Amino acid sequence: GAGVSQTPSNKVTEKGKYVELRCDPISGHTALYWYRQSLGQGPEFLIYFQGTGAADDSGLPNDRFFAVRPEGSVSTLKIQRTERGDSAVYLCASSLTDFNSPLHFGNGTRLTVT
Amino acid sequence: AQTVTQSQPEMSVQEAETVTLSCTYDTSESDYYLFWYKQPPSRQMILVIRQEAYKQQNATENRFSVNFQKAAKSFSLKISDSQLGDAAMYFCAYRNTNAGNNRKLIWGLGTSLAVNP
Repeated sequence: GAGVSQTPSNKVTEKGKYVELRCDPISGHTALYWYRQSLGQGPEFLIYFQGTGAADDSGLPNDRFFAVRPEGSVSTLKIQRTERGDSAVYLCASSLTDFNSPLHFGNGTRLTVT
Repeated sequence: AQTVTQSQPEMSVQEAETVTLSCTYDTSESDYYLFWYKQPPSRQMILVIRQEAYKQQNATENRFSVNFQKAAKSFSLKISDSQLGDAAMYFCAYRNTNAGNNRKLIWGLGTSLAVNP
């Protein structure tokens, strides 16, 4: 079956603009995670959904970042008033349940803010 | 707070040889998971191997094995019979097993592995 799909693969935007990054998890996976990976770094946790609700959003860096998962499947990460420091690869992962199940990652979206 | 440290930014190995990647971590928990992930240029994180802290036996997956030293908080990855396709970034990661809603992975900075023909 299909893996985790993230779109777009690459996104270039101007400073101050609004962007949306989409994650389509594996069908039936209830847990969904967003991570951010800056150049030369390991991923950093942003937010975790269990079903439709955000179970842990402690990693969101500030109120410009917001994520939704309205039907418990596709998730959208939204960034307002983008800054150059937001440039990174945004990784999405899903798992069958929220505990003990292995994570399946997408190929990420590379966001470049000019 | 838990931390993960990978002290080798870059490593290289000859094809068919063996290489060991190092990882240390810090935690006050007694039970947790440790992982090694591989990230090729495609950017997709691929799980290589997983170790549960309560298990004393070191995990093994084909050519990949770990040396888990719980007291020393060390978790190294050994790749045997290295292949060209093993070239990638390798990340060590930690996760609590029982922490309420805390399901996040904590990652090291990664080790870039080159495999020389």
